[in-house]
Amino acid sequence: NAGVTQTPKFQVLKTGQSMTLQCAQDMNHEYMSWYRQDPGMGLRLIHYSVGAGITDQGEVPNGYNVSRSTTEDFPLRLLSAAPSQTSVYFCASSDRDRVHGYTFGSGTRLTVV
Amino acid sequence: GESVGLHLPTLSVQEGDNSIINCAYSNSASDYFIWYKQESGKGPQFIIDIRSNMDKRQGQRVTVLLNKTVKHLSLQIAATQPGDSAVYFCAENPQGYKLSFGAGTTVTVRA
Repeated sequence: NAGVTQTPKFQVLKTGQSMTLQCAQDMNHEYMSWYRQDPGMGLRLIHYSVGAGITDQGEVPNGYNVSRSTTEDFPLRLLSAAPSQTSVYFCASSDRDRVHGYTFGSGTRLTVV
Repeated sequence: GESVGLHLPTLSVQEGDNSIINCAYSNSASDYFIWYKQESGKGPQFIIDIRSNMDKRQGQRVTVLLNKTVKHLSLQIAATQPGDSAVYFCAENPQGYKLSFGAGTTVTVRA
C-alpha cells in the first residue's frame, strides 16, 4: 500500500539511551518532515528535508538528528533520550507541488523514563 | 448548525447538524492551507486543501473558506455524522516544505 510507514509504533527508552525512528515513503515524494505531538497541542516541526542529501531544522530540533541518503527514507535519531522527548512522533511526505497535501504516517509513541 | 466565531478547543454537535470549525493563521506569505482530521491513536488524515488564489473549495460534505484579509480559515462539515468525531487541525504552508499547525479543535458528535 502506498503511503508513509513508521517503525516502531511504540518504544520505551531509558534516559540517556539513543535510538532511531524509521520513516519510509513509496510515493517518490521530494519533501519529508518529522513532527512531534504533545498532549493538547498541535504538531511541531522537528526537522525537514527537501530532497536526498538536504536537511534543515524546524521549530524544535534540539536533541534530534536526521539524514536523507535516499528519497524514500528519512530516519530521526535521538542522541541521548530525555523525559522531555516523551511524545508521539509523526513523519510526513509531500510532492513538490503539494498536489495531495502532506501524507502522514501512523506515528511512533515514545516514552522516556 | 453550530458554529464558532473564534477558535475554540472543543465543539459539540448534534448528529445531522452542520458544524463549522474556525482557524486563524499567522503568516501572510502562506499560499496553501490544509485541514486534517485526527482520530485517537492515528496520524493526521488529509481532508481538504485550498490555495491562496481561492476563497472557497468544496469536497464531499466539507467546504473550506479562506479569508485572506483577516487571515482566517474555516471548515464546514455538512450533516455531521458520528464518524466525524475527531480532532481537526488547520495547517498553513508558508514555505513548500513546512507546515505550521494550529492547536486543534475536538469535535464530539451527539447522537
